Amino acid sequence: GQNIDQPTEMTATEGAIVQINCTYQTSGFNGLFWYQQHAGEAPTFLSYNVLDGLEEKGRFSSFLSRSKGYSYLLLKELQMKDSASYLCAVREDTNAGKSTFGDGTTLTVKP
Amino acid sequence: EAQVTQNPRYLITVTGKKLTVTCSQNMNHEYMSWYRQDPGLGLRQIYYSMNVEVTDKGDVPEGYKVSRKEKRNFPLILESPSPNQTSLYFCASSPQGTGANVLTFGAGSRLTVL
Repeated sequence: GQNIDQPTEMTATEGAIVQINCTYQTSGFNGLFWYQQHAGEAPTFLSYNVLDGLEEKGRFSSFLSRSKGYSYLLLKELQMKDSASYLCAVREDTNAGKSTFGDGTTLTVKP
Repeated sequence: EAQVTQNPRYLITVTGKKLTVTCSQNMNHEYMSWYRQDPGLGLRQIYYSMNVEVTDKGDVPEGYKVSRKEKRNFPLILESPSPNQTSLYFCASSPQGTGANVLTFGAGSRLTVL
């Protein structure tokens, strides 16, 4: 089976930096995604990693180590609107196919 | 506007009364999928489809049926709903092939089975 682990909850202060970790054990790997989901809304895409290393996109960066089955999402200069759930997802097949999601990390940003 | 449209957004029904949640996308995506989301359990995949007339079970297919007769539509059918199917349902689509095939999600359908 598939197993994706991320912390359940995190709290950080406005303007700070926070790192959300994700570890995975899956039978196949063809990319790792991070999605953001505000309460009561649909998930929206944040980042994608398929090769080892860091991908940077504005205030958000995502890192992948395939050998360690590990990824993190880094959020800089936190804003109140960053309070949301962050979902780590692994795509297993080469043609979209199955994607397995972690349970999500609820981030609360405080003033 | 590129989007995934689900209907209904909210539904309260009773045990055993068949219902269908529709999903339609206007992006010509090959891949479509249904997820349910429950508190503390994240998104769990119910069924997915790689293309027209091709469907596969996800992690929690019991009690659900799907069909993919047209590329744009992927309805989720609950033949005999039960209270444990009370959940928030999301339909999603993406292009096929390699690369960052990002999932575009519908707004969600909140279903309550009494």
